[in-house]
Amino acid sequence: QAVVTQEPSLTVSPGGTVTLTCGSSTGAVTSGHYPYWFQQKPGQAPRTLIYEATKKHSWTPARFSGSLLGGQAALTLSGAQPEDEAEYYCLLSYSGVRVFGGGTKLTVL
Amino acid sequence: LQLQESGPGLVKPSETLSLTCTVSGGSITSSSYYWGWIRQPPGKGLEWIGSMFYSGNTYYNPSLKSRVTISVDTSKNQFSLHLTSVTAADTAVYYCARPFDDNWGQGTLVTVSS
Repeated sequence: QAVVTQEPSLTVSPGGTVTLTCGSSTGAVTSGHYPYWFQQKPGQAPRTLIYEATKKHSWTPARFSGSLLGGQAALTLSGAQPEDEAEYYCLLSYSGVRVFGGGTKLTVL
Repeated sequence: LQLQESGPGLVKPSETLSLTCTVSGGSITSSSYYWGWIRQPPGKGLEWIGSMFYSGNTYYNPSLKSRVTISVDTSKNQFSLHLTSVTAADTAVYYCARPFDDNWGQGTLVTVSS
């Protein structure tokens, strides 16, 4: 089974910019992996931020954006807010079989 | 669209964990995107259990594949998870979801214990 890797933790200053990455043990992450990004706060169900690498719905704050960067999927937060402090998970598809990354704990400090 | 998990909160070791996800506010057959089951052991990360398309295709986590079945009951607008031969390692919050458009159940804690 493929392993999906994320930074265990990152810190960003309020108003700052941070990029979270998502890599695959099988090689470069492409649009064919249909990358998703989720945000989860303690005691809550996850929320879908980004789907299919770059797409987002109307409810995703504009400060979040998704991309494919250097063979990885990336989630960029521009203008971090205190409420963005959370765990972030990426999800990749391998011909329909999906694998979560281990999550990135983002601290806004 | 609303999703709601239901099922026992306590399952004995070696028995079968069965959960149902009831979909309201929309038809389970109307989406071309997948419906899935995800779990989260206490204090740990998310784990993909499996997913299904209404067309009938199902995909399972290889590490669980021998024990997992996901099925759909269109007459009740529900889909279900069955996980056999459970152990304490299967203790987790179980979520049903349609991740594409951010539709998630609230999650249900299932504890495996005698």
